[in-house]
Amino acid sequence: GPKVLQIPSHQIIDMGQMVTLNCDPVSNHLYFYWYKQILGQQMEFLVNFYNGKVMEKSKLFKDQFSVERPDGSYFTLKIQPTALEDSAVYFCASSRTGGAETLYFGSGTRLTVL
Amino acid sequence: GDSVTQTEGPVTLSEGTSLTVNCSYETKQYPTLFWYVQYPGEGPQLLFKVPKANEKGSNRGFEATYNKEATSFHLQKASVQESDSAVYYCALGDPGGYKVVFGSGTRLLVSP
Repeated sequence: GPKVLQIPSHQIIDMGQMVTLNCDPVSNHLYFYWYKQILGQQMEFLVNFYNGKVMEKSKLFKDQFSVERPDGSYFTLKIQPTALEDSAVYFCASSRTGGAETLYFGSGTRLTVL
Repeated sequence: GDSVTQTEGPVTLSEGTSLTVNCSYETKQYPTLFWYVQYPGEGPQLLFKVPKANEKGSNRGFEATYNKEATSFHLQKASVQESDSAVYYCALGDPGGYKVVFGSGTRLLVSP
């Protein structure tokens, strides 16, 4: 089936540094999402993105977070600067036409902030 | 706003027993309803979805009926297997837009 690729699978970074998480969505998909999952806890919505714009974001999407998809390349989540509480697994998802369509998730990027 | 509430886990069962995970939702829309499953170390994947009220979805022995009157979408399986151990998410999607709302997830542990 369709695949969403996330790069890297693991990232270790010192607190205060910048990190960029990369997502290669399904090729004809137009809606993109980021979710955060702290170990053993539920998955929580961060942001969704369509047509070059953030459509909705949660309270977890702090000012230090940003997303973009320049020129149809990777859909990225940037955190600058990182904080200890940003340690989690971040899942990217994409869908073809929005809310009623299936979301396809990547396998996640495990981010550890030291 | 839209919300989804589901059985709080973990749910612990023995192989061969039956499963019910409750899911209730609130929305002013006419949503599509989903069940996703997440295995350890992976992202969630679709189990099945139901776009219309009073219809049933099913996959791999799991099933759920979209009950518009009761605003429920309970997940059931007659006989669980150890390989069904995972986290199950109920979700609703807005057909006219982009919103997808997930429940908090229910961890299922099946012992042999």
